[in-house]
Amino acid sequence: GAVVSQHPSRVICKSGTSVKIECRSLDFQATTMFWYRQFPKKSLMLMATSNEGSKATYEQGVEKDKFLINHASLTLSTLTVTSAHPEDSSFYICSARDRAVRYEQYFGPGTRLTVT
Amino acid sequence: AQTVTQSQPEMSVQEAETVTLSCTYDTSESDYYLFWYKQPPSRQMILVIRQEAYKQQNATENRFSVNFQKAAKSFSLKISDSQLGDAAMYFCAYGRGNSGGSNYKLTFGKGTLLTVNP
Repeated sequence: GAVVSQHPSRVICKSGTSVKIECRSLDFQATTMFWYRQFPKKSLMLMATSNEGSKATYEQGVEKDKFLINHASLTLSTLTVTSAHPEDSSFYICSARDRAVRYEQYFGPGTRLTVT
Repeated sequence: AQTVTQSQPEMSVQEAETVTLSCTYDTSESDYYLFWYKQPPSRQMILVIRQEAYKQQNATENRFSVNFQKAAKSFSLKISDSQLGDAAMYFCAYGRGNSGGSNYKLTFGKGTLLTVNP
């Protein structure tokens, strides 16, 4: 089956530093990847849609300069949280769409970010 | 904009019994997909079942089945013979079909926390 990995699974960083989260599709090509944020006991909130070879599309209210997204290949997208603050602490989940299956999104296991 | 509503923040069921989780959605599209995802404590999102809007037949996957009422924009999930491992947060989600080159974004409901009692 389609597998999506995320790295790291957990990260703790100091306020003001930047942290990068990787999302990889391991056995399929993903033309589109999605980045979500999830607060405890809450639903997934879409942050941005990442298209291979083009600029990401951000949802309303998401700061593109703070959450930098790069989708340089068909199997890798990265989310960089720049100048992190404690309020950026959250669970970040990526998903990838297999270009051969139009409706399916496969989710990564998530990354827990804690900013101290 | 599409919205997905799950009106039951929490539900509980006895092991081996049947439970139904509710979901309604709002859309003006005719081509779309509906999904139920399960998120256990590990927080890995797991696809439970999906329904294509153009199909009249309700989708089933083993103990999981849906009641898809397109006119009423309702998409409930029935779990039969509930097992302890079914305990999780369940999210209903809406995804647009291939209309005008959409990005297939998913819109999620707020979720229903299902507890299974032994």
